[in-house]
Amino acid sequence: DAGVTQSPTHLIKTRGQQVTLRCSPKSGHDTVSWYQQALGQGPQFIFQYYEEEERQRGNFPDRFSGHQFPNYSSELNVNALLLGDSALYLCASSLLGLASGELFFGEGSRLTVL
Amino acid sequence: GDSVTQMEGPVTLSEEAFLTINCTYTATGYPSLFWYVQYPGEGLQLLLKATKADDKGSNKGFEATYRKETTSFHLEKGSVQVSDSAVYFCALSSGTYKYIFGTGTRLKVLA
Repeated sequence: DAGVTQSPTHLIKTRGQQVTLRCSPKSGHDTVSWYQQALGQGPQFIFQYYEEEERQRGNFPDRFSGHQFPNYSSELNVNALLLGDSALYLCASSLLGLASGELFFGEGSRLTVL
Repeated sequence: GDSVTQMEGPVTLSEEAFLTINCTYTATGYPSLFWYVQYPGEGLQLLLKATKADDKGSNKGFEATYRKETTSFHLEKGSVQVSDSAVYFCALSSGTYKYIFGTGTRLKVLA
């Protein structure tokens, strides 16, 4: 049973560019959340997708956008990259309504903005 | 808003020592509480959880008890091993899968 998979694992961009990160949820999961983890910090919630719609959003600017596809996979897009966007981006999947509330995380995509 | 505060690291212990990592929270309502662990180069893995007051979560020798009166969820292990070296995150969720994480505590266990 494949867990949460993310791509790419590492990437380098320059300021002002745009980036797309991809995530495939754990088999059977229908909800995908994205988190940003800056170096030495805990993950910060960006947004959550269910049924191809954004259900919740954290305190991130509109430069951060996402999409969920019919097969439940998801993309995170960041426009007009800033140096401060350098971080590990984590995708987490879950099954909406599951009482345990457990999130399953991928290994992340490490973005470096120069 | 909801928040999680955990003790700052790094924490350095000798093998077989007793471990405590403190975690306190503020939240409206009755959140679920979690400890996640992040090994070098890996994603976060759920270590244990508790969904209501006085519940004790346990896994791999680690334990934490949901204390509503002190709004705490301290992580403990009686005898740590070198393989326990990792970063530990306390987190809460108010039922919507939006997790609030602490800043993490790095544990280093020396042989």
